[in-house]
Amino acid sequence: GQNIDQPTEMTATEGAIVQINCTYQTSGFNGLFWYQQHAGEAPTFLSYNVLDGLEEKGRFSSFLSRSKGYSYLLLKELQMKDSASYLCAVRDSNYQLIWGAGTKLIIKP
Amino acid sequence: KAGVTQTPRYLIKTRGQQVTLSCSPISGHRSVSWYQQTPGQGLQFLFEYFSETQRNKGNFPGRFSGRQFSNSRSEMNVSTLELGDSALYLCASRTDLYDTQYFGPGTRLTVL
Repeated sequence: GQNIDQPTEMTATEGAIVQINCTYQTSGFNGLFWYQQHAGEAPTFLSYNVLDGLEEKGRFSSFLSRSKGYSYLLLKELQMKDSASYLCAVRDSNYQLIWGAGTKLIIKP
Repeated sequence: KAGVTQTPRYLIKTRGQQVTLSCSPISGHRSVSWYQQTPGQGLQFLFEYFSETQRNKGNFPGRFSGRQFSNSRSEMNVSTLELGDSALYLCASRTDLYDTQYFGPGTRLTVL
């Protein structure tokens, strides 16, 4: 079967750095996505990785290792507005998105 | 460019009724996917339409159906509503299978 694992919840302090991990086992691989979802709102696209390595976009970076079936999202200089759920999704061999359950990130002052 | 729009944004129905939700994708996007999201649950995939054809279907009962029109707008129908159908229903569009999905604001359905 296809499976994506993320921690259910994480807590971090304003101004700090947090790393959210995602491991996957899917039928084929055609890219990995990270989305941010604030409570009661729709998910918004954050990043996309299809090759191994680090993609940096401002305070957010995403890393991929295809051989290990592993990705992480790194958030720097945390702000209160970063409190949200972070969803990891893998596009499989059928170009279908397989979603993790999401990681709820709580930022404390 | 306008984003994905969904109507209605909120809906209250009673058990046994049926409901139709609408999604208008971003202009030029030919793929529309539907998801159900309940508290504490991840996104549960319902189905995807591409150029008016259903490409993929998730593990939902036959009470859940959908369709896509020639202008790429899509509708989702749920018949014989159950209390467990209360959820946020999200629609997402992309230009083609190789593109990123972009989500609409969702329709919050409450079944009483």
